[in-house]
Amino acid sequence: QSVLTQPPSASGTPGQRVTISCSGSSSNIGSNNVHWYQQLSGTAPKLLIYRNNQRPSGVPDRFSGAKSGTSASLAISGLRSEDEADYYCASWDDSLRGLVFGGGTRLTVL
Amino acid sequence: QARLVESGGGLVKPGGSLRLSCAASEFTFSDYYMTWMRRAPGKGLEWLSYISVSGSSIYYADSVKGRFTISRDNTRNSLYLQMNNLTPEDTAVYYCAREGLPRQSYWYFDLWGRGAQVTVSS
Repeated sequence: QSVLTQPPSASGTPGQRVTISCSGSSSNIGSNNVHWYQQLSGTAPKLLIYRNNQRPSGVPDRFSGAKSGTSASLAISGLRSEDEADYYCASWDDSLRGLVFGGGTRLTVL
Repeated sequence: QARLVESGGGLVKPGGSLRLSCAASEFTFSDYYMTWMRRAPGKGLEWLSYISVSGSSIYYADSVKGRFTISRDNTRNSLYLQMNNLTPEDTAVYYCAREGLPRQSYWYFDLWGRGAQVTVSS
């Protein structure tokens, strides 16, 4: 049982826009930044979004992040086959005094 | 190009120990907070431990507290994870990762190693 809650799966067709949600509480998302990671099959995780809505250099602007209250979301527009991966949200938790992750969302491009 | 390379993984029996290393190159290792994460088969990412630039501040996840020890040697550009009393539930790919900004602690990680497989089985 993960501290942050994500849907286990999501899907879309090429060109579509997909949104992945991440729900937490006042001790994590409600009072701290949210970061998103992408993990392609068999590879290391990659930082996708940091501090709620910032993109590292090299990450396409098709990826965007948002946060409101105790929830956050990752949006992917213009879906491409290479976006098929597992996506994780993460945030510091004040009560647990550590980093907590969502359980991950497996994105399938149909 | 900045790089992290894990080593020291392998097969170990329950109750055994293993020491993972993470070699950093092409960046000033001593300027960055560092962390260990893992991903077990069929499960998601799990944060394990985090260490400050000097090693004076350390955090552990409850799942490994008392069994795992993080350390670093800035003279050798290396990060370590000593893992004791291993159980089958510790079977996973273990990753080291670098904090996103030098001398800052924002708890996001922009550089990851490729991972080291640890298998705990009799």
